Amino acid sequence: AQSVTQLGSHVSVSEGALVLLRCNYSSSVPPYLFWYVQYPNQGLQLLLKYTSAATLVKGINGFEAEFKKSETSFHLTKPSAHMSDAAEYFCAVSSASGGSYIPTFGRGTSLIVHP
Amino acid sequence: DAMVIQNPRYQVTQFGKPVTLSCSQTLNHNVMYWYQQKSSQAPKLLFHYYDKDFNNEADTPDNFQSRRPNTSFCFLDIRSPGLGDAAMYLCATSRGGRGLGTYGYTFGSGTRLTVV
Repeated sequence: AQSVTQLGSHVSVSEGALVLLRCNYSSSVPPYLFWYVQYPNQGLQLLLKYTSAATLVKGINGFEAEFKKSETSFHLTKPSAHMSDAAEYFCAVSSASGGSYIPTFGRGTSLIVHP
Repeated sequence: DAMVIQNPRYQVTQFGKPVTLSCSQTLNHNVMYWYQQKSSQAPKLLFHYYDKDFNNEADTPDNFQSRRPNTSFCFLDIRSPGLGDAAMYLCATSRGGRGLGTYGYTFGSGTRLTVV
């Protein structure tokens, strides 16, 4: 079984401030982990993914995430927020189940960026 | 560009009137998924196709059906839409098979369904 917990349904930051979106996972087997971004009335766009290579993963738009096995965490960060980063962010975990990799999504965190 | 295309972007249907949403892909991915996403909630997997093999989630209502006539196309049929079925429906694709779960999932832009 696998699950994802995203702490905080809303995160509010000022433009230029650090962005930190939290994600904790549980998985009975080594997981693959993903962060997706969703803009209003759009599908989900992949930001970055962890696939058991480097624990610090760099993605698009200046985002990165660090896989910490001891903490079962995969938090998303960005050093300096832009207004264009305002969106819904979803963390997802995927692990092998009978040959298929079915992703499970967290409830999402809405990032609000203030001028 | 290779992509996942969902049509239409917005669909209005009447209560109880069957409706079909479509998804096509040019990625040649062998796995296709349908998700239901209600406002401010995580996407919820309804079912997926692994090649031609249909995999239904245990809690997906019988009202929801799917067809995959070929690799490129997948359809979501809602036989008798209720007000509670109003949502964004997302189609996604991935490469399947052991060791291939690392590629992630490519999503379409979604179809927003309104039931009146």
